Amino acid sequence: GAVVSQHPSRVICKSGTSVKIECRSLDFQATTMFWYRQFPKQSLMLMATSNEGSKATYEQGVEKDKFLINHASLTLSTLTVTSAHPEDSSFYICSTFGAGLNTEAFFGQGTRLTVV
Amino acid sequence: EDQVTQSPEALRLQEGESSSLNCSYTVSGLRGLFWYRQDPGKGPEFLFTLYSAGEEKEKERLKATLTKKESFLHITAPKPEDSATYLCAVQNQAGTALIFGKGTTLSVSS
Repeated sequence: GAVVSQHPSRVICKSGTSVKIECRSLDFQATTMFWYRQFPKQSLMLMATSNEGSKATYEQGVEKDKFLINHASLTLSTLTVTSAHPEDSSFYICSTFGAGLNTEAFFGQGTRLTVV
Repeated sequence: EDQVTQSPEALRLQEGESSSLNCSYTVSGLRGLFWYRQDPGKGPEFLFTLYSAGEEKEKERLKATLTKKESFLHITAPKPEDSATYLCAVQNQAGTALIFGKGTTLSVSS
């Protein structure tokens, strides 16, 4: 089945630095990638939707200049957290749908970001 | 506004004690309702997709059902390895991103 590979799984960075998270679709071409953020004991909250070759669409309240999304190819989407602050510490997960009309959403393994 | 509410937030069961998790939803045209399992520090793992009221799906000790307003995830004779957070999500007819509930954290003790 389709697999989405996300890395790194864990990253600790200093406040003010930038962190890049990668998601690759291994078995198929992902034209759309969704990026979620999950705080402890909270639901997955959609941050943005990226489409290959075009600008990402950000949800209300998500700073597009802080969370840079690049979807330059059909198999790779990246999320860069720029000038990270401790409040950006969270669990970030990417997701995409498989090919076909009625398919499940596949998720990456998630990235635990800790900003110190 | 599309919305998903799950209950209870947490559920503790003894091994073998069957129970049900609830997912209530409002959506502008349901395209699909999804159940996922999430272990700590991991991404969600797909369990089921339900598309229309009356549909049921089973997988081992789990059975998911769907009505026009809610879905249930029935767990029969659970085992400790079933301990996890179970997430419910809906997708509307626009086919955009899934909208998730907060999840039910299940703990099964032996």
